Amino acid sequence: GAVVSQHPSRVICKSGTSVKIECRSLDFQATTMFWYRQFPKQSLMLMATSNEGSKATYEQGVEKDKFLINHASLTLSTLTVTSAHPEDSSFYICSARPRGLGYEQYFGPGTRLTVT
Amino acid sequence: DAKTTQPPSMDCAEGRAANLPCNHSTISGNEYVYWYRQIHSQGPQYIIHGLKNNETNEMASLIITEDRKSSTLILPHATLRDTAVYYCIVKTGANNLFFGTGTRLTVIP
Repeated sequence: GAVVSQHPSRVICKSGTSVKIECRSLDFQATTMFWYRQFPKQSLMLMATSNEGSKATYEQGVEKDKFLINHASLTLSTLTVTSAHPEDSSFYICSARPRGLGYEQYFGPGTRLTVT
Repeated sequence: DAKTTQPPSMDCAEGRAANLPCNHSTISGNEYVYWYRQIHSQGPQYIIHGLKNNETNEMASLIITEDRKSSTLILPHATLRDTAVYYCIVKTGANNLFFGTGTRLTVIP
């Protein structure tokens, strides 16, 4: 149980284009979903927290107009990287907190974004 | 949330117990100790968490000192698949997970 999927697993896009990454909780409903970013040889950095049906809360230094987060249902959150640049190339990981089952978080497998 | 200190790297022989230490001297009474691990190029995996009692599950054991200022994650019989970065995180239940630099555990054949 408690499986989180991400799609796509890898994406290459050209500079200036936008990319959408999906995060789904497959066997549970998630009231809260989280987006992290990880650069090579570094730890995960929390970007934003989203609750279903409300606006995301962004961590300091994360541009909300560049990283658009939509949490439209209890099983789906999307992260759109707008006008991507090479410095946005990173490993993006989502996680989800099950509804009503305490505070555990379950992580997706990650999406490797490469901007050329 | 309280800060944690972990050694940057450790080696362990396959089949032996891996003991990963974590210092969290500023932990407060309502903060839990969580352990996650991240195998290369994958999302983090939850291992175990505890408040003050020792905990055990199918993956590992968590030993928390009586003063709660440090803890040890024990993998009883390490395998090559346990090679990963292990993160010790201290937080209250509702707070977000913030990852430090963790300990890179290498299991050696």
